[in-house]
This record gives sequence, C-alpha cells and structure tokens, in this order.
Amino acid sequence: AQTVTQSQPEMSVQEAETVTLSCTYDTSESDYYLFWYKQPPSRQMILVIRQEAYKQQNATENRFSVNFQKAAKSFSLKISDSQLGDAAMYFCAYRSAYAGNMLTFGGGTRLMVKP
Amino acid sequence: GAVVSQHPSWVICKSGTSVKIECRSLDFQATTMFWYRQFPKQSLMLMATSNEGSKATYEQGVEKDKFLINHASLTLSTLTVTSAHPEDSSFYICSAPGVSYNSPLHFGNGTRLTVT
Repeated sequence: AQTVTQSQPEMSVQEAETVTLSCTYDTSESDYYLFWYKQPPSRQMILVIRQEAYKQQNATENRFSVNFQKAAKSFSLKISDSQLGDAAMYFCAYRSAYAGNMLTFGGGTRLMVKP
Repeated sequence: GAVVSQHPSWVICKSGTSVKIECRSLDFQATTMFWYRQFPKQSLMLMATSNEGSKATYEQGVEKDKFLINHASLTLSTLTVTSAHPEDSSFYICSAPGVSYNSPLHFGNGTRLTVT
C-alpha cells in the first residue's frame, strides 16, 4: 500500500513571500500521479497542481510549482508571492496509474499567511 | 466543467436515526464514486468505493452495515449512515473520476454530519 507523509502540520508565511510545503511518499510502483489539493475553510477540495511521475519536468501553475524528486520520493509545493487567500489546509495526494482512481492523502499542512 | 453535486451540505440528526447523503454527477457519467471521511483537523480517509451495478468495496475497518453505499445509476451514488451515533459525526466527501483516466477527480462539496 502507498503512504503519503506531510511532516509539517503547520506553516506560516509572510504575505508576498515564498513558502515550501513538504511531502514524501512510499510506493513500489513506477508510474503514478501526484497532486496538491487546497482545502479552504469552506472545506471544498481544490486541485492546485498535478504531476505525472513519468514526466521529469516539474509542474508549474502560475504562483505554484513543485519540486518532484522521483528517486527520493519527494514532492514539495512552492508557493511564490503568497497571498492571504492562500491560507488553507494543503494536502498532498498519490494516485496509482495501475489500479483504481482513488487518492491516498497525506495528513495535511495548515498554511497561515501573515499580512 | 464536470461537477459533482453533494447533498445535504450539513445535517444534524439524533442518535439512532439514519442519514442519507447523495452525490450526483451533473454532466458526466460516474461509474465509480469514492467516499471519504474527514475528522476535524485530520486528513481524508477513503471509506469505500461504489461501482454502478455492483457491490461497493469497503476499506478495512469500515463497517459495511453501518455505512450503506448504493450506486443506483451512472449519475447517483448514496451513502447512508445507519443508526448514527455521535462518533459518526464527521465530514463526508464524495469524489468521482473524470472522463479519462488522466483527468483529475471531481469532488463534491462535502457533508458535515453532526449526531446529537
């Protein structure tokens, strides 16, 4: 079974600064997908960014980018120019490319943005 | 874009009663629906997977008789919490796969269940 670990329960960043959220995972599979989801107080799950394991290039979406280190099984999220609206819970998630579409989530990181 | 509509968004019920949560795929067919539970300040844990036309698959430790899942059609999956108790109070979220395997999952907005 795959596991996803987020070692930072809480992180804080000053508005306009950059913050990096950590995520590691454990799998024996060679092909999979990795995701970062944002969950604001409304508790809606919002997809922030995704990465296919077979792609070497790190995914980017505007102010959000990832550092995908396949050998190290690491998948960190960098948020640049942090905004107050970025404050939320962030979940790292794993999805196998072989069996099923379900996501395995990490424990989450609560991001606080200071004005 | 594809939308999963989940109802109710919140519900309060008395201990011993049953509560039904519905998830509908509005503009696509969902042959599979994933049901997650999220306790306060915790992550999402997969409870079960429903499949249209067949029995649901439950994760280890999830009581099948307490959490009844039915996938009645290609657009509707339901989770019924039977004989609810205060410890069943939680946030329940459904999600459905996209049209293609590469598509991201589509999440409902969740249901906050409080059992008094």
